[in-house]
Amino acid sequence: GAGVSQSPSNKVTEKGKDVELRCDPISGHTALYWYRQSLGQGLEFLIYFQGNSAPDKSGLPSDRFSAERTGGSVSTLTIQRTQQEDSAVYLCASSLVRGVGGNTIYFGEGSWLTVV
Amino acid sequence: DAKTTQPPSMDCAEGRAANLPCNHSTISGNEYVYWYRQIHSQGPQYIIHGLKNNETNEMASLIITEDRKSSTLILPHATLRDTAVYYCIVRVNYGGSQGNLIFGKGTKLSVKP
Repeated sequence: GAGVSQSPSNKVTEKGKDVELRCDPISGHTALYWYRQSLGQGLEFLIYFQGNSAPDKSGLPSDRFSAERTGGSVSTLTIQRTQQEDSAVYLCASSLVRGVGGNTIYFGEGSWLTVV
Repeated sequence: DAKTTQPPSMDCAEGRAANLPCNHSTISGNEYVYWYRQIHSQGPQYIIHGLKNNETNEMASLIITEDRKSSTLILPHATLRDTAVYYCIVRVNYGGSQGNLIFGKGTKLSVKP
């Protein structure tokens, strides 16, 4: 696609339920990032995927959070047993891996999650 | 932690140039300066980046000092739609989580009629 695509754009869920957020990166981009932005706060790195390498999960806040990337393209971020503090916008981004000046990271519009 | 320092807010008159400063005194030799902006309720938008030379594209110009310890983003003719939070970020320009973007608090630019 032309840009990073995320779905759903908005999700309201009850506390304790599981949610899945989807990201479709820019075609040909092998690097994929997930970030979280709580209301009025800065962007917080969650996880990074690059090709077939093991993902960098160092930013995941708890074991309720997980992500996978199938076929090196689409990624799904899963939050189990959601809590109210999980309410935030979840942003996906992608980039090429290497190349002088060619590694710019581009963001999607985010998935707004509200846990009630 | 973010390696950059930016003023928390700035105002600019519509049609005038907006000059947004950024300090990055601990920048490493292989780190680039990137600028993004985030308009309310939208994902961050890439603006421009550079290593040591000044850069210009259709959105903005980036002026980097010779010692690379600071830079200025210039929006030549600011419009109301340029009202946003502007982030200055230093990062290595290759893949891997070392190339991850670490966002600070940015500068909230308000363009006024």
